Amino acid sequence: DGGITQSPKYLFRKEGQNVTLSCEQNLNHDAMYWYRQDPGQGLRLIYYSQIVNDFQKGDIAEGYSVSREKKESFPLTVTSAQKNPTAFYLCASSMDTSPNSPLHFGNGTRLTVT
Amino acid sequence: KQEVTQIPAALSVPEGENLVLNCSFTDSAIYNLQWFRQDPGKGLTSLLLIQSSQREQTSGRLNASLDKSSGRSTLYIAASQPGDSATYLCAVRQGTGGFKTIFGAGTRLFVKA
Repeated sequence: DGGITQSPKYLFRKEGQNVTLSCEQNLNHDAMYWYRQDPGQGLRLIYYSQIVNDFQKGDIAEGYSVSREKKESFPLTVTSAQKNPTAFYLCASSMDTSPNSPLHFGNGTRLTVT
Repeated sequence: KQEVTQIPAALSVPEGENLVLNCSFTDSAIYNLQWFRQDPGKGLTSLLLIQSSQREQTSGRLNASLDKSSGRSTLYIAASQPGDSATYLCAVRQGTGGFKTIFGAGTRLFVKA
């Protein structure tokens, strides 16, 4: 069954620690995305990758880093430089970045930093 | 800069009622508009996608319309059921500037049995 797997579902970290969120897809999609969702706000794009070994900053990339070493995997690292990291993080993929390519989402990771 | 607004932020209706969710956007230069459903603590599930050249799309009890010139879309849900309770988000795909997707904050729907 094809889909996007995000792990873990819940993540707790102390302030000042880096943390990495996992995202794996078996849809054979070229493009992958990371979004952040906060209460009362629309999803905001953190980073996206159109192809392996390539990625671009989205609207709120500061304090985050990504890698795309494999087509299936697009991990997101939340660094200590991110001032307000507590949020719900959603990974998505699409066949490519063309406008007719719909987004498919994982079930998210809720990160709490105290 | 494109802004997507969904009003109301929350809605509670009795079971069986037909209802309309609204989505408005400020820049009509869109490529398509997509409606998603999000259950609590979960990801987004695509419901309907309307191309900019289309006026509406239907899937089962759901009908989405698009009026690009006025910057509006509606999601009509017929004969609502408790299982329809969720947050509904709309998202527009920009027609320029890298085909970015801009999301609204969503309407939280509660259907009472």
